Amino acid sequence: RKEVEQDPGPFNVPEGATVAFNCTYSNSASQSFFWYRQDCRKEPKLLMSVYSSGNEDGRFTAQLNRASQYISLLIRDSKLSDSATYLCVVNLYNQGGKLIFGQGTELSVKP
Amino acid sequence: DTGVSQDPRHKITKRGQNVTFRCDPISEHNRLYWYRQTLGQGPEFLTYFQNEAQLEKSRLLSNRFSAERPKGSFSTLEIQRTEQGDSAMYLCASSGPPNQPQHFGDGTRLSIL
Repeated sequence: RKEVEQDPGPFNVPEGATVAFNCTYSNSASQSFFWYRQDCRKEPKLLMSVYSSGNEDGRFTAQLNRASQYISLLIRDSKLSDSATYLCVVNLYNQGGKLIFGQGTELSVKP
Repeated sequence: DTGVSQDPRHKITKRGQNVTFRCDPISEHNRLYWYRQTLGQGPEFLTYFQNEAQLEKSRLLSNRFSAERPKGSFSTLEIQRTEQGDSAMYLCASSGPPNQPQHFGDGTRLSIL
């Protein structure tokens, strides 16, 4: 079983749609959580940190459920420029801060 | 540009050759990480440094791989006697405290012929 599991997609949605990605992690020692965005053949870039209280950044909302070991990302009013792979990431900072990545979920927003 | 920089961006080499990659982290970051990413997968942890000390190495890092960070600033990753399976994107990231987000360089794409 992978430490971080995501549905690889692809998710094909029209502009303006709302799309939700889910992620589960197996290591209960995981302590920090992030969503990174990765464009084709580019490096991962931090999209947002994820907190138990939930956090929002514009059209993006992230949520963490520690009891269920579940992380989500909601994108509202999708734009063409949102097309990318979204990586769910856990940080084991009691193990030096190394990041454990999910496989990534591919999103394609169509006109 | 004060981000993480990696060199070269691309490397094509024949099987059996040695290659070396360089990473320059964000200057105030004391932690430096190396990851490897293959097509369709998320990045996988290889090793990390706190200042000049290499504190953990993944089992993915065979004895053909060696990494250094001699003065606690830039780091190098060397692969000896490259194999087809070494073809991947090699990513470097840096951070301050371990619970903070890591910032990635552009990566070095390695292709083994």
